[in-house]
Amino acid sequence: SSELTQDPAVSVALGQTVRITCQGDSLRSYYASWYQQKPGQAPVLVIYGKNNRPSGIPDRFSGSSSGNTASLTITGAQAEDEADYYCNSRDSSGNHLRVFGGGTKLTVL
Amino acid sequence: QVQLVQSGAEVKKPGASVKVSCKASGYTFTSYDINWVRQATGQGLEWMGWMNPNSGNTGYAQKFQGRVTITRNTSISTAYMELSSLRSEDTAVYYCARGPGDFDPWGQGTLVTVSS
Repeated sequence: SSELTQDPAVSVALGQTVRITCQGDSLRSYYASWYQQKPGQAPVLVIYGKNNRPSGIPDRFSGSSSGNTASLTITGAQAEDEADYYCNSRDSSGNHLRVFGGGTKLTVL
Repeated sequence: QVQLVQSGAEVKKPGASVKVSCKASGYTFTSYDINWVRQATGQGLEWMGWMNPNSGNTGYAQKFQGRVTITRNTSISTAYMELSSLRSEDTAVYYCARGPGDFDPWGQGTLVTVSS
């Protein structure tokens, strides 16, 4: 199996830029997708593939990857971006198996 | 619009099984994988398994192997996740999500409570 590691909590001042990272061996071979989850709601896909945003996701959200680390960057964080963020990627064992990171709680100050 | 609608909350006793449904609309059901993810209260997301509705092929996380079964009924565009031998630690919200890989959209979630 594979593990993805995220920092449990990150904070950012309103309007500033924040990077949320996800580390794991499988990220050397596969892209991560990123999900935003607000309290009491289902997760929402915000970034997938190399750096793709689903329709309706603001362009302040972007993704990147280097080595075993994938990153989600929010440029000009807004109050409504305060949420939990999860990365997900393919398990390194293959066969369509997937794994989530432990999640990062983003606080916008 | 593309939508996944799940069945309602369940309360089960330890040792029982639960079967949660996920009805798809707004797209061709057999063209996209369905994944199942769960989340215990205050905890993170946990991927459980996937199914290709066209072929019926499935794959499960090692943690759930032998306890989880994902099936479908293509005539009504509905996927099912059955979890057996329930224990208190299985109390969680269970989500279905359209795949493959990039999960979008998600169902609204189904709370399963395991309690004696």
